[in-house]
Amino acid sequence: AQSVTQLDSQVPVFEEAPVELRCNYSSSVSVYLFWYVQYPNQGLQLLLKYLSGSTLVKGINGFEAEFNKSQTSFHLRKPSVHISDTAEYFCAVSAAILYNQGGKLIFGQGTELSVKP
Amino acid sequence: NAGVMQNPRHLVRRRGQEARLRCSPMKGHSHVYWYRQLPEEGLKFMVYLQKENIIDESGMPKERFSAEFPKEGPSILRIQQVVRGDSAAYFCASSPREGNYEQYFGPGTRLTVT
Repeated sequence: AQSVTQLDSQVPVFEEAPVELRCNYSSSVSVYLFWYVQYPNQGLQLLLKYLSGSTLVKGINGFEAEFNKSQTSFHLRKPSVHISDTAEYFCAVSAAILYNQGGKLIFGQGTELSVKP
Repeated sequence: NAGVMQNPRHLVRRRGQEARLRCSPMKGHSHVYWYRQLPEEGLKFMVYLQKENIIDESGMPKERFSAEFPKEGPSILRIQQVVRGDSAAYFCASSPREGNYEQYFGPGTRLTVT
């Protein structure tokens, strides 16, 4: 089984400042890792994903994340945030395809990013 | 290419009534996942379906909840005899194939039980 822990429930930050949203996972098998963003009263949009290969993954809207296998982490970063980045961010994992678990996503509790002017 | 469609977007039911939530996957997608987002909680997996088959229902409550994905038409999540604790946002996601890694989410149905 897999589990995901997002270490911060809320992250306030000023506009144009850098931000890091932390995510740790636990799994007995290899996993794929994802970050999704949810704007108020909307569905989830994929920001980026790690399947294999380079541990630094770049996504949309200037976000990037780094997979650290030894620390079982997948932290999300952005060097300079905008007001429009205010949203809830979810880290998620799914078991790698060879384990035949169907691809269901296991989500963290979410981190509310609040960007202030 | 239309995205994942869910309807209704908002649904109000009285305790004891039935709730039917619909999900039309993206064109060409034959894999559907349902997730529930309870207040103050994250998203939890409920069920994974392919056309005419339930593949994984390990996240479904044992009673009152059922799901289907018929050969024709949308996927349906059905909740019988709703209770206040069923109030939540229900999200559907679709994928073109199993384990395809990326799931595309719909806007959700917000169920309120009064």
